[in-house]
Amino acid sequence: GQQLNQSPQSMFIQEGEDVSMNCTSSSIFNTWLWYKQDPGEGPVLLIALYKAGELTSNGRLTAQFGITRKDSFLNISASIPSDVGIYFCAGRGTDGGSNYKLTFGKGTLLTVNP
Amino acid sequence: DADVTQTPRNRITKTGKRIMLECSQTKGHDRMYWYRQDPGLGLRLIYYSFDVKDINKGEISDGYSVSRQAQAKFSLSLESAIPNQTALYFCATSGGSRLNEQFFGPGTRLTVL
Repeated sequence: GQQLNQSPQSMFIQEGEDVSMNCTSSSIFNTWLWYKQDPGEGPVLLIALYKAGELTSNGRLTAQFGITRKDSFLNISASIPSDVGIYFCAGRGTDGGSNYKLTFGKGTLLTVNP
Repeated sequence: DADVTQTPRNRITKTGKRIMLECSQTKGHDRMYWYRQDPGLGLRLIYYSFDVKDINKGEISDGYSVSRQAQAKFSLSLESAIPNQTALYFCATSGGSRLNEQFFGPGTRLTVL
């Protein structure tokens, strides 16, 4: 089945720094999604991307759908303590038989030191 | 009010017990999903339903069953719980013109002793 490699697994940064994380796949995806999960809560959708090359922002967050359709990137600018959490990428592949299914990365744990 | 709710939020049970986790949504979505989350393994799909009469197995359906009682309700049952079913369980929904965008409930933390 399709797999997503998400990196880094964890990051420790100082408040105010910018953050970058990415997901890569060995196969092509039609949709990329980025979620954030706070401790004890469910994942919350941050950004959805539908076109290769698409660059979309949500406040201090910017995500890009890679041109090869096999990767996506999430950047957080000027991090603040409430950015702490686990960030997941998710993608929908091109297999018509799996049009329901999202493949999830294993997450990047972000810690922000005030 | 939350769009996707799950009950209970926490549950501790013993091996062999039957457990039901419930999910309700007010988003009007047709599609509903059950996932489990384990440390280091990410989210894995257990079952999904595209409408009231449609139920499909996901990656890890063994030991689980589901019931779609109405468009807004989707329950997950563990017929005979075992310790390796200890995990966080999430319900999600999607619908409308953006079917790939799934919206998650707050989760149920299940511990099987």
